[in-house]
Amino acid sequence: QVQVRESGPGLVKPSETLSLTCTVSGGSINTYYWAWIRQAPGRGLQWIGYISHGRTNYNPSLKSRVTISLGASDDQMSLRLNSLTAADTAVYYCARQRTDVFDVWGQGTMVSVTS
Amino acid sequence: QSALTQPASVSGSPGQSITISCIGTSNDIGGFNYVSWYQQHPGKVPKLIIHDVSHRPSGVSTRFSASKSGNTASLTISGLQAEDEAHYHCASYTTASTVIFGGGTYLAVL
Repeated sequence: QVQVRESGPGLVKPSETLSLTCTVSGGSINTYYWAWIRQAPGRGLQWIGYISHGRTNYNPSLKSRVTISLGASDDQMSLRLNSLTAADTAVYYCARQRTDVFDVWGQGTMVSVTS
Repeated sequence: QSALTQPASVSGSPGQSITISCIGTSNDIGGFNYVSWYQQHPGKVPKLIIHDVSHRPSGVSTRFSASKSGNTASLTISGLQAEDEAHYHCASYTTASTVIFGGGTYLAVL
């Protein structure tokens, strides 16, 4: 059974860059599309982007600040989001994606942007 | 891309049926049969309950059903139960090969 876990810092400062890692177990990261999704406190879900076989696609509203890449090992991928503001405070999820379907989710990691 | 439009909240009594709408455009909901719905209890991870407009994953109650007409998708929950109280999110594939979510709807079971 495929499982997913996000990891990264819980606190980051405004204007800095957020780096998160998604680790996949029980399956190959090269077999599916893998996405990042976030949810600001009390808000809805926002799709950030995906990676599949090294190809990426991003939410147009975040595209200028986002990079999703494969990790150092073949069971990891990473998210980098730069020029952070308080509006980037959210729970960040890693999820397996097929078109619009997200069927395997990590537990999420809370990121607070604060000075 | 603007979020899909969902009502902020709906409510119903146990045993009743409710419907949640999700309004998009011809560039997302209207253009594909790729609409999904997610249930999210407070503090929990979203759970897929409907995919490809109207298909339920294995293990999801038959009380959940969904459909699409034009640019609007709908989720219906019949025989409301207390455990159905949660947020519900719709999502659609888009012509830009991206995914767009709705703002989420809170279902209160009174």
